[in-house]
Amino acid sequence: DAKTTQPPSMDCAEGRAANLPCNHSTISGNEYVYWYRQIHSQGPQYIIHGLKNNETNEMASLIITEDRKSSTLILPHATLRDTAVYYCIVRVARRNAGNMLTFGGGTRLMVKP
Amino acid sequence: DAGVTQSPTHLIKTRGQHVTLRCSPISGHKSVSWYQQVLGQGPQFIFQYYEKEERGRGNFPDRFSARQFPNYSSELNVNALLLGDSALYLCASSYRGQQGMTEKLFFGSGTQLSVL
Repeated sequence: DAKTTQPPSMDCAEGRAANLPCNHSTISGNEYVYWYRQIHSQGPQYIIHGLKNNETNEMASLIITEDRKSSTLILPHATLRDTAVYYCIVRVARRNAGNMLTFGGGTRLMVKP
Repeated sequence: DAGVTQSPTHLIKTRGQHVTLRCSPISGHKSVSWYQQVLGQGPQFIFQYYEKEERGRGNFPDRFSARQFPNYSSELNVNALLLGDSALYLCASSYRGQQGMTEKLFFGSGTQLSVL
């Protein structure tokens, strides 16, 4: 699976949009971009994933560049409860694929009042 | 509906002992994976089981073993514990969709293992 690069930490004001970048310049055509987050003392939580189109769900939006070498996770109105470590992961999604996720260091997002 | 449940939540062992960690997946999920998370780092993949068969293994020594039961629950066993085995052990379950693809993992809150 392709390697990802994320800033180690970011701050965001409560109520504002949080934009978390991720570089995955070696991504292959059959690899998806996944985002998980881990709130303190909990297991990671799935947020969103996408291949090449932008995706949106009730938690966040995922913007993938046209060349697919980078992406941005957007939390439109960050709250204090969004303070967590956010992991960007690239993995192949295919029939009978395994469940191995390769977590990097992630971005520690601090939402401040 | 209950999420992924793990037991115990905390455990203290001494070097050389062995430990068994337990995981119950979400109802209907047939795949269970185990991850180790050392303080300050992201989780690392240990094992995946699907339909009671091992489907993946990470770069961990043979002291680590696991199994999955007919009810899809799972155990992770670690023998001859080392200080470096101190970590949060996470279990994740998943449902394999109609196309055979696993889209998302659901993680439990983990077992915090301390080896003294």
